[in-house]
Amino acid sequence: ETGVTQTPRHLVMGMTNKKSLKCEQHLGHNAMYWYKQSAKKPLELMFVYSLEERVENNSVPSRFSPECPNSSHLFLHLHTLQPEDSALYLCASSQDQGLYGYTFGSGTRLTVV
Amino acid sequence: GQNIDQPTEMTATEGAIVQINCTYQTSGFNGLFWYQQHAGEAPTFLSYNVLDGLEEKGRFSSFLSRSKGYSYLLLKELQMKDSASYLCAVLNYGGATNKLIFGTGTLLAVQP
Repeated sequence: ETGVTQTPRHLVMGMTNKKSLKCEQHLGHNAMYWYKQSAKKPLELMFVYSLEERVENNSVPSRFSPECPNSSHLFLHLHTLQPEDSALYLCASSQDQGLYGYTFGSGTRLTVV
Repeated sequence: GQNIDQPTEMTATEGAIVQINCTYQTSGFNGLFWYQQHAGEAPTFLSYNVLDGLEEKGRFSSFLSRSKGYSYLLLKELQMKDSASYLCAVLNYGGATNKLIFGTGTLLAVQP
């Protein structure tokens, strides 16, 4: 596989469930990102990992918990979500602090019921 | 603060030319990117400007004026497959690393 792969593509979960989103990059990049994309709103940067260390947390509620076990993998652990958390969650990766842009995955479409 | 503005929607005709504008106010500017996103798909890289002027790549061109905080994406010889959302994004240096900050995107509809 090439590029940035996200699984699952679609996820429906109840407010009391626990689930995880997975992202894998095959580009040899050294930084990974989680973004939230809601209708009519800009992509919102949630978390930034550089060299497997979290360097940015944009005031994201604790019901979202990221994990970066190595430079190729990024997870977003979800628990006790709210309906307003329903959105497209995009993962991205970059090299050299993004000076050549980010490569995005196709996203996970999350619906909280 | 940081602010990136672009029109919400635009409509154009197949074969025509369309210009999508983007204005921004950010600190620590490290370049401006344009991405294309079809519904349900990943945003894909179109162009990058870090110096003032025009960058041309096939049917797509992008212009940047740093003093005016202004960029545009120019699409020529429009095709139906160009119907998509076009995202303007600024690479912003702040804190420990660069961050790519996005506008709301412009949904372009190409009509026959």
